[in-house]
Amino acid sequence: EVQLVESGGGLVQPGGSLRLSCAASGLTFRTYWMFWVRQGPGEGLVWVARIDSDGSSTNYADSVKGRFTVSRDNAKNTLYLQMNNLRGEDTATYYCASDDSTGWSFFRHWGQGTLVTVSP
Amino acid sequence: QSALTQSPSVSGSPGQSVTISCTGTSNDVGGYNYVSWYRQHPGKAPKLIIYDVNKRPSGVPDRFSGSKSGSTASLTISGLQTEDEADYYCCSYAGNYNWVFGGGTKLTVL
Repeated sequence: EVQLVESGGGLVQPGGSLRLSCAASGLTFRTYWMFWVRQGPGEGLVWVARIDSDGSSTNYADSVKGRFTVSRDNAKNTLYLQMNNLRGEDTATYYCASDDSTGWSFFRHWGQGTLVTVSP
Repeated sequence: QSALTQSPSVSGSPGQSVTISCTGTSNDVGGYNYVSWYRQHPGKAPKLIIYDVNKRPSGVPDRFSGSKSGSTASLTISGLQTEDEADYYCCSYAGNYNWVFGGGTKLTVL
């Protein structure tokens, strides 16, 4: 069974930084693309970032480009999201997700999410 | 990237069928056969129910089906059950390794 477990969320002041982690098990982590998707309170899902299987290629939503960095450690089966210069609009539950052996264009497995609150 | 357009809410009675639409542009829904649908119950993580427009992951019943015409994708749920009451989100690949979600549709099973 695939498990993705996020951690690292919490309360941070505007302009601050936070690093989220996503520990993966039950899948050959090094072969999957990984993603971050967020959901503001009472709002819809928003794609945030994507990283390819070996970490050599990354992509970001315009709203976080230049402030967020996605990375991975395949030896530790862990995905990261470094978030800098945080703003109030970054307040959200952050989910990590993976693609699937049958395709890359969708989010097959999801973690339970970690809440990030940006507030003075 | 602008969010895909979904109706805010839809409802149906148990046993009935409902269709949820998702409208994008030629840059996303209309340009790729990479539309996926997710179901999310309150306080839970989303769950993939349709990928690549009309494919079902293992474990998803055939009551769920997807289609696409031009820049509009649709999710049809037949034989509505009470557990189908949830929020439903469409998502499309938008090129250059970017993805865009719809705003979500709340399905109420009356």
